[in-house]
Amino acid sequence: AQSVTQLDSHVSVSEGTPVLLRCNYSSSYSPSLFWYVQHPNKGLQLLLKYTSAATLVKGINGFEAEFKKSETSFHLTKPSAHMSDAAEYFCVVYSPGAGNMLTFGGGTRLMVKP
Amino acid sequence: NAGVTQTPKFQVLKTGQSMTLQCAQDMNHNSMYWYRQDPGMGLRLIYYSASEGTTDKGEVPNGYNVSRLNKREFSLRLESAAPSQTSVYFCASQGAMSNQPQHFGDGTRLSIL
Repeated sequence: AQSVTQLDSHVSVSEGTPVLLRCNYSSSYSPSLFWYVQHPNKGLQLLLKYTSAATLVKGINGFEAEFKKSETSFHLTKPSAHMSDAAEYFCVVYSPGAGNMLTFGGGTRLMVKP
Repeated sequence: NAGVTQTPKFQVLKTGQSMTLQCAQDMNHNSMYWYRQDPGMGLRLIYYSASEGTTDKGEVPNGYNVSRLNKREFSLRLESAAPSQTSVYFCASQGAMSNQPQHFGDGTRLSIL
């Protein structure tokens, strides 16, 4: 079985300040983990992925995430928020043995204040 | 560079009506998926197709049927729409490796009155 918990449903930051979106997962196998972003009225766009290579993963638009097996976490960070980062973010887990199914977190809505 | 295309983008139905949501991908992907998105619940898998000619139930299949028409196209049908099926529906596709990311369409916003 696998599951994903995004610890904050809403996060608000000021432009230019750091972003931290938290994600914890559980998996019976070595998982692959993804972060997706969804802008209003759009589909999900891949930000970054972890598939058992380097534990610090860099993605698009300055985002990065660190896979910490001991903490079962995969938190998403960005050093300096931009207004265009305002969107909903989803942490997603895939495990072998779960068919081809992804499990999605409930999402975190990021708001960026000017 | 179309990727995954969904039609229609918006639809309003009355309870009991039927409709088919269309999805096509141009990336030669083997696997295709249908999800629904409801507030605070992320995406939940309705049905998926690992390859042409096969379909399998996901987490929330009740009230839906699917057809994998060919490698490119995967449709979702609501035979008798219910208000509980008001949602945003996303189609996705995935290449050969099962741990690779899925590519999503822009969604169909469906309201059932």
